[in-house]
Amino acid sequence: KAGVTQTPRYLIKTRGQQVTLSCSPISGHRSVSWYQQTPGQGLQFLFEYFSETQRNKGNFPGRFSGRQFSNSRSEMNVSTLELGDSALYLCASSPSEGHEQYFGPGTRLTVT
Amino acid sequence: GENVEQHPSTLSVQEGDSAVIKCTYSDSASNYFPWYKQELGKGPQLIIDIRSNVGEKKDQRIAVTLNKTAKHFSLHITETQPEDSAVYFCAASKGSSGYALNFGKGTSLLVTP
Repeated sequence: KAGVTQTPRYLIKTRGQQVTLSCSPISGHRSVSWYQQTPGQGLQFLFEYFSETQRNKGNFPGRFSGRQFSNSRSEMNVSTLELGDSALYLCASSPSEGHEQYFGPGTRLTVT
Repeated sequence: GENVEQHPSTLSVQEGDSAVIKCTYSDSASNYFPWYKQELGKGPQLIIDIRSNVGEKKDQRIAVTLNKTAKHFSLHITETQPEDSAVYFCAASKGSSGYALNFGKGTSLLVTP
């Protein structure tokens, strides 16, 4: 099976802009989670989607949002970008009823 | 919320030696404990996991132990090889209302030939 894919892999944006990141889960997986990874804060949970519904949300401001489509693909959006949003954004997919999360390679976002 | 602490932050071992990484968690409701390996430029790779109804799990050179009473779990790598060099993360999850993973800060493992 193909793994989790994320596009784009690298992105440079200017402060104040917005950005949309995309994630395609492993075939058959219905849960998609998003994480932010920074050197200072480490890996932090953003949100989880299952069957197009947000099931869980981390402690991030409302500028961070996401959605999931009927084919389980997911997008996350960050509006009004700040310098501190520079990070590696990771998507992970899970089987319907299991805990195991399999990560994609991430999207490296740089905000200038 | 859940707090996961991981030690040490860096670990250097000689090829063939064993490596041990330890984590503690704060929420007694946590019931799933995965370990991830992250190489430079890649996403975290799930290498082993353990659930709260099991005390120990082994997969070839890798083993994980869990002490629910002490809220402590550890990763053991035996016969280390240079390709084991990477950053290792522990995590904990409750599995209620979703499966958010709370991660430790990571251990940078260096295996020298």
